[in-house]
Amino acid sequence: DIVMTQSPDSLAVSLGERATINCKSSQSVLYSSNNKNCLAWYQQKPGQPPKVLIYWASTRESGVPDRFSGSGSGTEFTLTISSLQAEDVAVYYCQQYYSTPSLFGQGTKLEIK
Amino acid sequence: QLQLQESGPGLVKPSETLSLTCTVSGDSISSSTYYWGWIRQPPGKGLEWIGTIYYSGSTYYNPSLKSRVTFSLDTSRTQFSLELSSVTAADTAVYYCARHTAGYYDSSGYPMYYFDYWGQGTLVTVSS
Repeated sequence: DIVMTQSPDSLAVSLGERATINCKSSQSVLYSSNNKNCLAWYQQKPGQPPKVLIYWASTRESGVPDRFSGSGSGTEFTLTISSLQAEDVAVYYCQQYYSTPSLFGQGTKLEIK
Repeated sequence: QLQLQESGPGLVKPSETLSLTCTVSGDSISSSTYYWGWIRQPPGKGLEWIGTIYYSGSTYYNPSLKSRVTFSLDTSRTQFSLELSSVTAADTAVYYCARHTAGYYDSSGYPMYYFDYWGQGTLVTVSS
């Protein structure tokens, strides 16, 4: 199994500041046929289902604010929120969809400092 | 607008079978474009992919749950279902149904992708 490990487990950032969440996979999730990484990022607010933000490691889902961006390749990935807004308080998960079983990271809780 | 809604008992006894249904509105589950999946989340914990089903009836299960899981679908009623047998307290979780596009297959032939639409989830507690 490709295990996903996120860091940190929790993060407190001031409004308007940058937030960075990391995700590391135990094996490469680079799909050679299209040279894209099989990595998605989700945001989950309390009492709600996860919402996809980013797929193929860096493609923003339609309707997602452009302050959210994804980067990285191979085994190391980053979700960046360029200017934290109050509504961004949530738990963030990465997911690999390179191989079965599709595993999620343990989550990173983002709060306002 | 696509909507998914989980339904089923909120309480199941240990050793019994958990049964849930996901009703899809706003799109057809008979489309060859999409796969339909189940994901669960124990209270206060992370997400676990349970498996996926295609309109043809083909199923793809998480190996860790494969011996206890059965998926089915009813295209006429735009529903797909999950059965999880021999449940224990460890199966207590919020169960989500979700959709992903047919886009990529791993080396085992499993359809893989990110989930773009999710139901609101339903909490199932396993307790006597």
